[in-house]
Amino acid sequence: QSALTQPASVSGSPGQSITISCTGTSSDIGNYDYVSWYQQYPGKAPKLLIYEVSNRPSGLSNRFSGSKSGNTASLTISGLQAEDEADYYCSSYTSGSAPVVFGGGTKVTVL
Amino acid sequence: QVQLQESGPGLVKPSQTLSLTCTVSGGSISSGNYYWSWIRQHPGKGLEWIGYIYYSGNTYYNPSLKSRLTISVDTSKNQFSLKLNSVTAADTAVYYCARVSFGSGSYHFEYWGRGTLVTVSS
Repeated sequence: QSALTQPASVSGSPGQSITISCTGTSSDIGNYDYVSWYQQYPGKAPKLLIYEVSNRPSGLSNRFSGSKSGNTASLTISGLQAEDEADYYCSSYTSGSAPVVFGGGTKVTVL
Repeated sequence: QVQLQESGPGLVKPSQTLSLTCTVSGGSISSGNYYWSWIRQHPGKGLEWIGYIYYSGNTYYNPSLKSRLTISVDTSKNQFSLKLNSVTAADTAVYYCARVSFGSGSYHFEYWGRGTLVTVSS
């Protein structure tokens, strides 16, 4: 079962907006609205950022937003801040051999 | 607030069994609409779903690990456990436990433990 495809790295300057893509197939992202995004700092556990494509957990900054089109989901970080420098992972429910698949992760660098 | 905490040996010898326990606090493991999951992360790599269990004991495993894997639950202790046998150096990773919310249009890893590094080495 292949992982979802994410760019290895994305960078931006403070205040800018960046978008991280997550490409799957019709067996996962394309067929289910069960896409979630996680933020992970070095040496720390992942933290839920977005669930069910575009929902934010209570208390999470609205600078983070999610969307989906076809087999590709996206995470947008607006008003980029130094604290956003971290690794980001997407995940989706899938009808494949395992019920869930993760992306390979994207390292966000704030220039 | 639900909290999860992994515990177990940080060093396991090759060919032996890796055993970890996740203790859940702030909520009952017997609550409906949650799977209790294990995920691992090899050093410098991405996340790999290992498997999960429902409080009733129903399990779902990653096919790539299924032949070596057992996940169990102890509702009386509010814990669930992972056993991975015949380990090799390729099983060296940080192991996380997490709660998966599912049902009613929901499916995501909502709460995570801090993770525990398990090294397989003689």
